[in-house]
Amino acid sequence: GAVVSQHPSWVICKSGTSVKIECRSLDFQATTMFWYRQFPKQSLMLMATSNEGSKATYEQGVEKDKFLINHASLTLSTLTVTSAHPEDSSFYICSAPGTGAFEAFFGQGTRLTVV
Amino acid sequence: QKEVEQDPGPLSVPEGAIVSLNCTYSNSAFQYFMWYRQYSRKGPELLMYTYSSGNKEDGRFTAQVDKSSKYISLFIRDSQPSDSATYLCAANPGGYQKVTFGTGTKLQVIP
Repeated sequence: GAVVSQHPSWVICKSGTSVKIECRSLDFQATTMFWYRQFPKQSLMLMATSNEGSKATYEQGVEKDKFLINHASLTLSTLTVTSAHPEDSSFYICSAPGTGAFEAFFGQGTRLTVV
Repeated sequence: QKEVEQDPGPLSVPEGAIVSLNCTYSNSAFQYFMWYRQYSRKGPELLMYTYSSGNKEDGRFTAQVDKSSKYISLFIRDSQPSDSATYLCAANPGGYQKVTFGTGTKLQVIP
């Protein structure tokens, strides 16, 4: 089946620094990718939708200047958490649509800890 | 009110038991209903999906949707310790619109 590879799987960074998370579709082209954040014992919350070659669409309440999304190619989308703070510590997951009308393929997730 | 409600559990069952996982939803526009399995510290994996009301079976797993009562169910027969994971129900109206997830139910199958 289709594979979405997310890297890194975990990262620890100092407060105030930036962290980049990569999401690659390994055997298919993804014109759209979704970025989620998941806090412990909570649902996946959609942060933004990245579209290849155009600006990302952010959900209400998500700071687009803080969470920079780039979808420069059909196989790569990146999320950069800028000036990270401890409250940004979370599990970040990307996903790509399958052949149906919803996301079917998720990356492995990235656990971000800001100290 | 959350659009998709799910009991977080945890739910512990003995190996071989039939497991019933349930969700309710409030958005009448939802047409696709999905179940994902998520192991600890991993991304979700799509298990099954159904379109509109009805049942769908895949091996030991059966997904059921009743749109009249806005109820989503996943049944696991002959549960195995390897089924231990968090199960997330989800729904969307289709057309690549936003998917709304439940909080997930943590299942533990005890050998």
